Amino acid sequence: QVQLVQSGAEVKKPGASVKVSCKASGYTLTGYYLHWVRQAPGDGLEWMGWLNPNSGDTKYAQNFEGRVTMTRDTSINTAYMELSRLTSDDTALYYCARSRGGYCTGGRCFFEAFDIWGQGTMVTVSS
Amino acid sequence: DIQMTQSPSSLSASVGDRVTITCRASQNIGNYLNWHQQKPGRAPKLLIYSASSLQSGVPSRFSGSGSGTDFTLTISSLQPEDFATYYCQRSSGAPFTFGPGTKVDIK
Repeated sequence: QVQLVQSGAEVKKPGASVKVSCKASGYTLTGYYLHWVRQAPGDGLEWMGWLNPNSGDTKYAQNFEGRVTMTRDTSINTAYMELSRLTSDDTALYYCARSRGGYCTGGRCFFEAFDIWGQGTMVTVSS
Repeated sequence: DIQMTQSPSSLSASVGDRVTITCRASQNIGNYLNWHQQKPGRAPKLLIYSASSLQSGVPSRFSGSGSGTDFTLTISSLQPEDFATYYCQRSSGAPFTFGPGTKVDIK
């Protein structure tokens, strides 16, 4: 069964960092781009960035540039998202999502679909 | 950046009703448009990709249409399990922005 399994909930203090993992099961991580999306309580979905697990290339949303790092360990089919300098505004559910049918040209990437989502990881930032 | 809007923001409907949700992009995105369904406490689920293609395993009562800047998600006969929030999302060039969502609840 194709799925993404994320690590468990985290509670962090303001100013700290958090690292969330996303393990691909039923497919090879390097075959598809991997995205991170977050959802604050009661809010909508916010795209954070993508990782090309094959090359290690990344593209981050402007709101997160300088604070987010997306990496992978292909030997264990797992991707990671680390967010630093946390504030209470970072309290949210963090999802990883796979995209398929993608290609990149002229520095822009296009995807057919975001088809598989992880179950989400709750990150709470509180003093 | 391209902005995505949805209307209505919420609607109340009855089982068996035909429901239509609209999504608009601030610039031409071709057919790079996904529709996702999200139920409380659950991850989003892909319903429609490439504006009008039904994702495998999704009931045929869901359909999508449109291209360029204007898109529509239609549920032909609303079922009890369809009460949820629906999000459109562009998938052409970063950032892959989501619409603000349309909450469908029971009348």
